[in-house]
Amino acid sequence: AQRVTQPEKLLSVFKGAPVELKCNYSYSGSPELFWYVQYSRQRLQLLLRHISRESIKGFTADLNKGETSFHLKKPFAQEEDSAMYYCALSGPGGYQKVTFGIGTKLQVIP
Amino acid sequence: DTGVSQDPRHKITKRGQNVTFRCDPISEHNRLYWYRQTLGQGPEFLTYFQNEAQLEKSRLLSDRFSAERPKGSFSTLEIQRTEQGDSAMYLCASSSTGELFFGEGSRLTVL
Repeated sequence: AQRVTQPEKLLSVFKGAPVELKCNYSYSGSPELFWYVQYSRQRLQLLLRHISRESIKGFTADLNKGETSFHLKKPFAQEEDSAMYYCALSGPGGYQKVTFGIGTKLQVIP
Repeated sequence: DTGVSQDPRHKITKRGQNVTFRCDPISEHNRLYWYRQTLGQGPEFLTYFQNEAQLEKSRLLSDRFSAERPKGSFSTLEIQRTEQGDSAMYLCASSSTGELFFGEGSRLTVL
């Protein structure tokens, strides 16, 4: 069974502080991992996916197969980063069922 | 193309009634997904389609739930004999490359 675990429901950081949103997964095989974000009053949207290896809005995430983790990081938090963040997992290529974690609310304190 | 659209945005119904939600995906997307989301939880997978074929349905989904995508374009999700526990946001998403594009959701309240 595929499973995504986000251990923190709420993470509060001060503006300018580093951010790390944790995500661990369970999957038999080679998964594709994603981070989705939902800003206030907006629809859920993709932030980044591990195969693209891009940095989006200053965020990066590295897939660690040994630790089965895909933590989201940003060196300096901005107020506009405040949102709900969901880690998600799919089969190879992302063309299968996509399983989401429960989400972490990031609150950036000015 | 305005993205994924869902209708209605809000539905209030009495327990025992049937409800139907519609999703119009982005036109060139061949995959369509339905999720349910309750307060404090992430999107919970319900089912997904590739074109008109329903490829997977959650084992957690009762037989009261059914989804169709008759011509590989729009999709409907029907809930029969609604229960209070069905109250949730129902999200639709479409995809062609693995990235999911979500609609704004249909919020169901069962009284």
